[in-house]
Amino acid sequence: QSALTQPASVSGSPGQSITISCTGTSGDLGGYTYVSWYQQHPGKGPQLIIYDVSSRPSGVSDRFSGSKSGSTASLTISGLQAEDEADYYCSSYTSSSSLEIFGGGTKLTVL
Amino acid sequence: QITLKESGPTLVKPTETLTLTCTFSGFSLSTSGVGVGWIRQPPGKALEWLALIYSDADKRYSPSLKSRLTINRDTSKNQVVLTMTNMGPVDTATYYCAHRRGYYYYLDVWGKGTTVTVSS
Repeated sequence: QSALTQPASVSGSPGQSITISCTGTSGDLGGYTYVSWYQQHPGKGPQLIIYDVSSRPSGVSDRFSGSKSGSTASLTISGLQAEDEADYYCSSYTSSSSLEIFGGGTKLTVL
Repeated sequence: QITLKESGPTLVKPTETLTLTCTFSGFSLSTSGVGVGWIRQPPGKALEWLALIYSDADKRYSPSLKSRLTINRDTSKNQVVLTMTNMGPVDTATYYCAHRRGYYYYLDVWGKGTTVTVSS
């Protein structure tokens, strides 16, 4: 099954807001609300920051928010901070596999 | 506090079988709905699901790698073991194990990963 489509990179200045998109199909993102987002700093393991489209795990900053429209999910980070510089991956349930699929990842640069 | 730690060889030769162990604490794989998954990440590339095992021994595999993978659990040792046969250079990656809380479609705690290089 094909990976979800994310922009390779996005950037923003401290204090700004950025949005990372994640595009799928009706068989995954478009058909279900099981979208999650992971943050990965260099040399570290991924960390869950959003699940079920828009829910945040305990301890994750409310500067992170998620949404979905049709077959595209979005992660918005408001009030950008230097520590937000990382790779971000979306993931979705898919009807074509017993395991979810990941996006290709987006590198966020804080200018 | 849930923690997971991956262990295994850092270097394997082409055609060899890789065996990785995930040792965890803070939860039990005997608890209904709990799962442990394996995910890998080639250098500079995206995450890729490999396999998942649930507390009821239900096993899920990546369709593209299913023929090469086996996942098992040892609840007494709090370990999940992944074997991958016929390793090749394209399998060079960091391998992560992660916790799944119940029958949900996300991984809420990840290990730090272990890097495996396939080379003769």
